[in-house]
Amino acid sequence: GAVVSQHPSWVICKSGTSVKIECRSLDFQATTMFWYRQFPKQSLMLMATSNEGSKATYEQGVEKDKFLINHASLTLSTLTVTSAHPEDSSFYICSARPTRASYEQYFGPGTRLTVT
Amino acid sequence: DAKTTQPPSMDCAEGRAANLPCNHSTISGNEYVYWYRQIHSQGPQYIIHGLKNNETNEMASLIITEDRKSSTLILPHATLRDTAVYYCIVSGGANSKLTFGKGITLSVRP
Repeated sequence: GAVVSQHPSWVICKSGTSVKIECRSLDFQATTMFWYRQFPKQSLMLMATSNEGSKATYEQGVEKDKFLINHASLTLSTLTVTSAHPEDSSFYICSARPTRASYEQYFGPGTRLTVT
Repeated sequence: DAKTTQPPSMDCAEGRAANLPCNHSTISGNEYVYWYRQIHSQGPQYIIHGLKNNETNEMASLIITEDRKSSTLILPHATLRDTAVYYCIVSGGANSKLTFGKGITLSVRP
């Protein structure tokens, strides 16, 4: 149990285009989901906290108009990178906190974004 | 959330116990200690968490000192597949965020 999936697992896009990444909790409901970014040889950096049915809370320094987060259901959150640039190339990872177990958090496998 | 300090790396022989230390001297009374690991190019995997008492599950044991200022994650019989970056995180528990530090890179050698 407690499986989180992400789609796509990798994506290449051209500079200036937008990319949507999906995060799904497959066997549990998640009121809260989190989005992280990880650059090569660095640790995970929290970008935003997403709560079902409400606006996401962004960490300091993260542009909310560039990284659009939607948490429309208890099993799905999406991250859209708008007007992507090469510096947005990174490993994007989501996690989900089960509604029934607020002390736990389960991570997706990550999405590798390359902007050319 | 309190910060944690971990050595940058360590190694151990396959089949032996791996003891990964973590210092969290500023931990407060309601903060939990979490351990996650990240195998190269994958999402982090939850290992274990605890508040005061020692904890054990099918993956590992977590030993927390009585003053709660440090802890040790024990992998009883390390395998090559346990090679990963291990993150020790202190968090306020329910509904709290996880802040990842640099972690410790564990290399298990044959």
